[in-house]
Amino acid sequence: QSVLTQPPSVSGAPGQRVTISCTGSSSNIGAGHDVHWYQQLPGTAPKLLIYVNSNRPSGVPDRFSGSKSGTSASLAITGLQAEDEADYYCQSYDSRLSAAVFGGGTQLTVL
Amino acid sequence: EVQLLESGGGLVQPGGSLRLPCAASGFTFSSYAMSWVRQAPGKGLEWVSAISGSGGSTYYADFVKGRFTISRDNSKNTLYLQMNSLRTEDTAVYYCAKDPTRGYSGSYLDYWGQGTLVTVSS
Repeated sequence: QSVLTQPPSVSGAPGQRVTISCTGSSSNIGAGHDVHWYQQLPGTAPKLLIYVNSNRPSGVPDRFSGSKSGTSASLAITGLQAEDEADYYCQSYDSRLSAAVFGGGTQLTVL
Repeated sequence: EVQLLESGGGLVQPGGSLRLPCAASGFTFSSYAMSWVRQAPGKGLEWVSAISGSGGSTYYADFVKGRFTISRDNSKNTLYLQMNSLRTEDTAVYYCAKDPTRGYSGSYLDYWGQGTLVTVSS
């Protein structure tokens, strides 16, 4: 049971828009801690996708965007491409645990 | 170019020990906190431990406290994870990852190594 809750899977057709939610609580996202997102392609290490809620590292396409509100955050992917098929993880900090915490991950399938 | 290269993984019996090094290059190693994150087979990511850039402050997830020790040798640009009293549930790929600041704050991890597999089994 992960501290941050994500849907196990989402899917979309090429060109479509999908969103992945990340729900936390008053000790993590709701406490004002930032949310970050990682993309893990099959068989590879995670890669930073979005940091501090809505910022993209250099090289990440602007098709990826992040937002945060209250105790939740979302990752949106527009113009879906086959290469976007991967697992996506949200991450924040939990004050009660004094630890970084991850969501359980969401598997994105491009139909 | 930032590079992180873990090694030291392998098969170990329950109750055994293993030490994982992570060799860093491409950045001023001592200026950044570092973390270990693990991923059990087919499962999600789990933060394990972190250490400040100077090595003076260390942080652990509850499930490894008293069993794992994180350390670093800034003269060798190397991060370590000493794992003792290993359990079957510690079986995972262990990643080292770079923090964006000198002090650990549970923030994002901007670079990750390729990981090393630790299997705890009799």
